[in-house]
This record gives sequence, C-alpha cells and structure tokens, in this order.
Amino acid sequence: GQQVMQIPQYQHVQEGEDFTTYCNSSTTLSNIQWYKQRPGGHPVFLIQLVKSGEVKKQKRLTFQFGEAKKNSSLHITATQTTDVGTYFCAPRENNRLAFGKGNQVVVIP
Amino acid sequence: DTEVTQTPKHLVMGMTNKKSLKCEQHMGHRAMYWYKQKAKKPPELMFVYSYEKLSINESVPSRFSPECPNSSLLNLHLHALQPEDSALYLCASSQDSGRNTGELFFGEGSRLTVL
Repeated sequence: GQQVMQIPQYQHVQEGEDFTTYCNSSTTLSNIQWYKQRPGGHPVFLIQLVKSGEVKKQKRLTFQFGEAKKNSSLHITATQTTDVGTYFCAPRENNRLAFGKGNQVVVIP
Repeated sequence: DTEVTQTPKHLVMGMTNKKSLKCEQHMGHRAMYWYKQKAKKPPELMFVYSYEKLSINESVPSRFSPECPNSSLLNLHLHALQPEDSALYLCASSQDSGRNTGELFFGEGSRLTVL
C-alpha cells in the first residue's frame, strides 16, 4: 500500500503559537485526505486535496498539496486547547484509504 | 455527533466466544469499511464493501467475518479471537469507494477486549 511518512510524530505546542505537520511520500499521490482524532474519539475528516499545488484554508487551518503531489502539510495558527489530538494524512490508492502514523499534538496552556 | 452508529460501544469476550459488531448508516452511502485501531496507532483497513459486495479484504484472519445484509448495515462477526485482537474497531462509510470518493464518516467505534 501507499507509504507516507508524517513528521513529526509528536509535538508539544504552546497555546497561541503556530505549528505545522508534514506528510511525505516517495511516490506521486492521486489525492490526500486529512483527519483529526481527539483523545478517546474517532477520526473526523478535515479536508481532501486533489490538485497539484492546491491550498485550502479552514479558519486557522491551512492545507497544502505539493506541486509534485508527493507531500502535503497542515499549518495551524494561534493554537487553541481544542486543537489537541492526532492529525493523520491519508492518501487514497486503489480504492483504499491508508492512514499515515499520525502527528500527536499536545497543547500546553 | 456521528451519522454512523456502532454497537456495542464496549465488548469483552473470551477466546471461545462468538460475538458480532454492528454498524449502521442512513446517509445513502454505498461504501462501508471496517478499520482496526490499536492504542497510539493509526487505523488499519480490514474490509471494504462496495454496493453490498466485499471489494477489499486486507488479508484479515478468518476469525473475523464481515457481512453486509443491506446497504445501510455492516456487521463484523467474531469467533475464536486472540487477546492481541483487542482493539478499537471502527466502521466508516463513504458515498462511493471509487477513485474520487470523498470523505469517510467514522462511527465512534467498538472497543473490544479479548480475555
């Protein structure tokens, strides 16, 4: 299956600061989705990126898809305590949605 | 709130028991999925049903048996499980399972403990 690497795997972020999480692939991706899973919760869809160089914003969240469609990033500004959780990138390949290992984010008040 | 409903939320079973996990969605989605998630790990795909037919089985042991009675329901029958099968089992649905499928809607999961 499609292998993606998420960097970093863990982040401690001070409330109010910005942070970025990255998703890298060695091969070209047809599309990629991002999910957030709160502690004790289930994955919740955030966004899907399809086009090369695509940038999508959702309030404090900015998602990017690389020009070569081999990497993606999620940037969050002015972190809030509600941003705590694990962020997964999930490329779609052969009708499968395979999750990366995730970036666990802890917010420090 | 999730529009995918899973029951039971918690299940404890012995290695000789037979039990079932159930999943229901009423969004008219034609693709349904079972994922397994261990603690601190990402969800791992087990099965995909598309238009009520099994389209993907990720080499899952036969002690896990999926069933899709109709387009709204998905079951996972469990028999002779091992303690290492203890995990959160997540059901999900999407409008379709093709290349341009949109988001997956996940249920809250069934947390299984095998003694």
